[in-house]
Amino acid sequence: RKEVEQDPGPFNVPEGATVAFNCTYSNSASQSFFWYRQDCRKEPKLLMSVYSSGNEDGRFTAQLNRASQYISLLIRDSKLSDSATYLCVVSGNTPLVFGKGTRLSVIA
Amino acid sequence: NAGVMQNPRHLVRRRGQEARLRCSPMKGHSHVYWYRQLPEEGLKFMVYLQKENIIDESGMPKERFSAEFPKEGPSILRIQQVVRGDSAAYFCASSPQGENSPLHFGNGTRLTVT
Repeated sequence: RKEVEQDPGPFNVPEGATVAFNCTYSNSASQSFFWYRQDCRKEPKLLMSVYSSGNEDGRFTAQLNRASQYISLLIRDSKLSDSATYLCVVSGNTPLVFGKGTRLSVIA
Repeated sequence: NAGVMQNPRHLVRRRGQEARLRCSPMKGHSHVYWYRQLPEEGLKFMVYLQKENIIDESGMPKERFSAEFPKEGPSILRIQQVVRGDSAAYFCASSPQGENSPLHFGNGTRLTVT
């Protein structure tokens, strides 16, 4: 089983839609969780940390389910500028393990 | 407050040459990480360094690759006798604390081996 798994997508959604991504991880001892965003041929940028109680930042909500070992990202009222690849990141046996990412395309 | 600085942005090398990639972490960050990203692939961890120490090099190939983070100056990732398969984007990241802290990335060095 891979350390971090994500559905590669692409998710094609219209502007204003709500979209959710899930990510599963294999290391039950993982302590830290993040969502990053990566635009084409650019560096990854931290979107938000994920806390046990769940957390929200504007249109973005992240949740952690330790029992089932998955984290989720919910994007409300999608904008064209949200089009990117979203990377699930988990602390593991090596410094932060990155998933391959889920590609999102928001369409006008 | 300058972010993580990597140079060069683009590097072209012929097979068999050496590639040297440089990374200056954010001010106040003493932890440096190198990741490699192949086209259409995820980021793969290579090496984690603190000043003058290699903390974890479990992701780095045993041959031809080396990394350092000297007391003074930037971190260097060195690839000797490059091959076509080394062509990739190499990202450096830094953090103020150790493991489990979020990483701040530089804009990467794109290495092309011809």
